[in-house]
Amino acid sequence: GESVGLHLPTLSVQEGDNSIINCAYSNSASDYFIWYKQESGKGPQFIIDIRSNMDKRQGQRVTVLLNKTVKHLSLQIAATQPGDSAVYFCAENISPDTGRRALTFGSGTRLQVQP
Amino acid sequence: GAVVSQHPSWVICKSGTSVKIECRSLDFQATTMFWYRQFPKQSLMLMATSNEGSKATYEQGVEKDKFLINHASLTLSTLTVTSAHPEDSSFYICSARWTAPTAEAFFGQGTRLTVV
Repeated sequence: GESVGLHLPTLSVQEGDNSIINCAYSNSASDYFIWYKQESGKGPQFIIDIRSNMDKRQGQRVTVLLNKTVKHLSLQIAATQPGDSAVYFCAENISPDTGRRALTFGSGTRLQVQP
Repeated sequence: GAVVSQHPSWVICKSGTSVKIECRSLDFQATTMFWYRQFPKQSLMLMATSNEGSKATYEQGVEKDKFLINHASLTLSTLTVTSAHPEDSSFYICSARWTAPTAEAFFGQGTRLTVV
């Protein structure tokens, strides 16, 4: 289904702290999940993805955790920097992942990094 | 990674006029592109799926006669907002996905449309 247009919750963290951004998804048929970062006035940028046959994936300073039992996804950002300030969206793809389906976006979280 | 280019990045138009937004996949062929709309402080809402050589598929509640989509080639999809009204003012974003080796999605820079 479509994401709901809700006003964005905000997570405020101190520079250098770790950030955890959460996302709940609703479709148990989703098999591919992506986190995007969106800065003001720009399109979403890919951060990290994970397939449903995994429960954890690490990138540079970022980790995505997937809990299929409770349909929950999280993005962990280590040593958060001011440049990480943006809106973060999770997106899901419903099987089959042919590349011809649109991603469904979550409602997003605004991350504010305090210097 | 692949690049999707969207043009223009912003446009101001008068009520009643039409505006065309272009979305190009610069280094890969995209048989399918997607158009999203985003209101301030909200998420991306899928408007339509653009299919090369065939009619677009519109999401429920999106007027196909209002938002005309043309996907005439494997690298270009256009969205035309016809007879624009102030309530059409929004941020429009296009996306294209690879089909192989992964199904990663790439997004354009977005177009800020303001109808006055």
